[in-house]
Amino acid sequence: DAGITQSPRHKVTETGTPVTLRCHQTENHRYMYWYRQDPGHGLRLIHYSYGVKDTDKGEVSDGYSVSRSKTEDFLLTLESATSSQTSVYFCAISDGPQSTEAFFGQGTRLTVV
Amino acid sequence: KNQVEQSPQSLIILEGKNCTLQCNYTVSPFSNLRWYKQDTGRGPVSLTIMTFSENTKSNGRYTATLDADTKQSSLHITASQLSDSASYICVVSLYGNKLVFGAGTILRVKS
Repeated sequence: DAGITQSPRHKVTETGTPVTLRCHQTENHRYMYWYRQDPGHGLRLIHYSYGVKDTDKGEVSDGYSVSRSKTEDFLLTLESATSSQTSVYFCAISDGPQSTEAFFGQGTRLTVV
Repeated sequence: KNQVEQSPQSLIILEGKNCTLQCNYTVSPFSNLRWYKQDTGRGPVSLTIMTFSENTKSNGRYTATLDADTKQSSLHITASQLSDSASYICVVSLYGNKLVFGAGTILRVKS
């Protein structure tokens, strides 16, 4: 899995609580991405980062925030989890913009009850 | 609206048989089109990447084709194996740094 580790792999949390998912890479790639995957939908971009402390919103960013204080770590925070955020979350990395090859982590299954 | 549509949604075939998965897209212009394989419980893994000027790209038993005029791509799997059971995702990469993902085709190979 191209040196990408997501943690936790599974999480159940209650509505209204904050949740942080972590993506760690050992490839020294500049770009990191957070996607969510839901049945019947393609992967949808939440946020991405193009360098340390440089982040931008994707198409479904509402309710999510990110931080990247080191090249190797990209954190996704659900500020106040809702049931609509129950999903599988994937981190991806690439050494260029999205037009270049991307490598995905194994995913985090999040359930909000 | 930019869209990538895949068909069929799901497919069951016998081991050893061939199959073809379809991808129709309306996005334009694009820099490349990719096919990913996603095993259950895993992240997507790249199979092929084609620029708009390429017509075909092979990776072992996987062959992707692209017709930029009709905005169609296909993924052909030859001599299927049980390990080919997975979801196959078509992805179009737009200029301007955006990926548009299809919803995927779920393939099940039976013995």
